[in-house]
Amino acid sequence: DSGVTQTPKHLITATGQRVTLRCSPRSGDLSVYWYQQSLDQGLQFLIQYYNGEERAKGNILERFSAQQFPDLHSELNLSSLELGDSALYFCASSWGAEQETQYFGPGTRLLVL
Amino acid sequence: ELKVEQNPLFLSMQEGKNYTIYCNYSTTSDRLYWYRQDPGKSLESLFVLLSNGAVKQEGRLMASLDTKARLSTLHITAAVHDLSATYFCAVDGDTGNQFYFGTGTSLTVIP
Repeated sequence: DSGVTQTPKHLITATGQRVTLRCSPRSGDLSVYWYQQSLDQGLQFLIQYYNGEERAKGNILERFSAQQFPDLHSELNLSSLELGDSALYFCASSWGAEQETQYFGPGTRLLVL
Repeated sequence: ELKVEQNPLFLSMQEGKNYTIYCNYSTTSDRLYWYRQDPGKSLESLFVLLSNGAVKQEGRLMASLDTKARLSTLHITAAVHDLSATYFCAVDGDTGNQFYFGTGTSLTVIP
């Protein structure tokens, strides 16, 4: 158990809908990272937040947005969902702002029908 | 865009044998990461390599980094079945704080 929690574990929704994925980092960790894993695209870095501020941005679509709240949990919002958004979404946390050892949550499996 | 290539993509090896997984990347990067993913599971951080010549070892796994060659290796010594998993390398982009993953190497250790 990494200490990182993600909810929900599974999510089934329809095209055009909007969903919110939630991540709670390990106690004391200030950085949260979001990743997408799919058969087509492999593993992709989406975005990083550090202590409430956006720190780095990867291949995140404009339809996707994220934020980190004062209690350090983070949410990833996916809107206008398409079939191709079906994937595993992982969050990870680390203590610092720089890329370092990250602890991954169990993931949210999203299926868009 | 930075490219990260892993070789081989699939590896089947017998218990007790040694093997090396290679990770090549296309631009300068100061840091390289290795992760393990078991089937249907999340990722586990194995190593963070922070400089040229860095070498880290944990159990039967040893990782090294040559930033001049843009190459990292993950060496497996005397493989055991528990090492069966997919191994990913990842690098920071040259603009900093981007993160690019390799395609992964699926390792199966046969008793």
